[in-house]
Amino acid sequence: GAGVSQSPSNKVTEKGKDVELRCDPISGHTALYWYRQSLGQGLEFLIYFQGNSAPDKSGLPSDRFSAERTGESVSTLTIQRTQQEDSAVYLCASSRQTRGFSPLHFGNGTRLTVT
Amino acid sequence: KNEVEQSPQNLTAQEGEFITINCSYSVGISALHWLQQHPGGGIVSLFMLSSGKKKHGRLIATINIQEKHSSLHITASHPRDSAVYICAVGGSQGNLIFGKGTKLSVKP
Repeated sequence: GAGVSQSPSNKVTEKGKDVELRCDPISGHTALYWYRQSLGQGLEFLIYFQGNSAPDKSGLPSDRFSAERTGESVSTLTIQRTQQEDSAVYLCASSRQTRGFSPLHFGNGTRLTVT
Repeated sequence: KNEVEQSPQNLTAQEGEFITINCSYSVGISALHWLQQHPGGGIVSLFMLSSGKKKHGRLIATINIQEKHSSLHITASHPRDSAVYICAVGGSQGNLIFGKGTKLSVKP
């Protein structure tokens, strides 16, 4: 693929429902990051996958949030029992090397709206 | 205090002006990234640097490791440069820490 692909691009869900967001990183990229951006706000770190090492989950805002990644492939971010404050653009980025040593490539994001 | 501070928060310039955006950080870093986000658009990586200076077209990025400071310069600014510019630092733990961004508006 040419770049980082995220799906869906838009998701509207009812409060209390579960949602799953998907990120396809660039092939061969070891590092994968999930961030979210609320309206008018900066980027908020959620989780970071670094190759085969344990992921850094320190940014996940609550136990309703979880993410998985198998090897260096696709990652999914799951939000259970969604709340209105979960509404944001969820961004995924990947890079060839870990620890920020190589350029970042961002997906176009998934705009999540919880009604 | 935020670990990554950007200034100014908002910047309005006239076309053709020389623009400087600053980024200061308080953590030990592996690399520093400058990113650009157009309104309603995605985020694009402009520079990644760990020392010295890089230039790409009208954009120049510098970093001073000792002073923990980086600057992004835009020469001969143009309305299409209007965007949010974000500084991000790669920390020793591997994660990236983002500044809150500088919103630049270049008027024709």
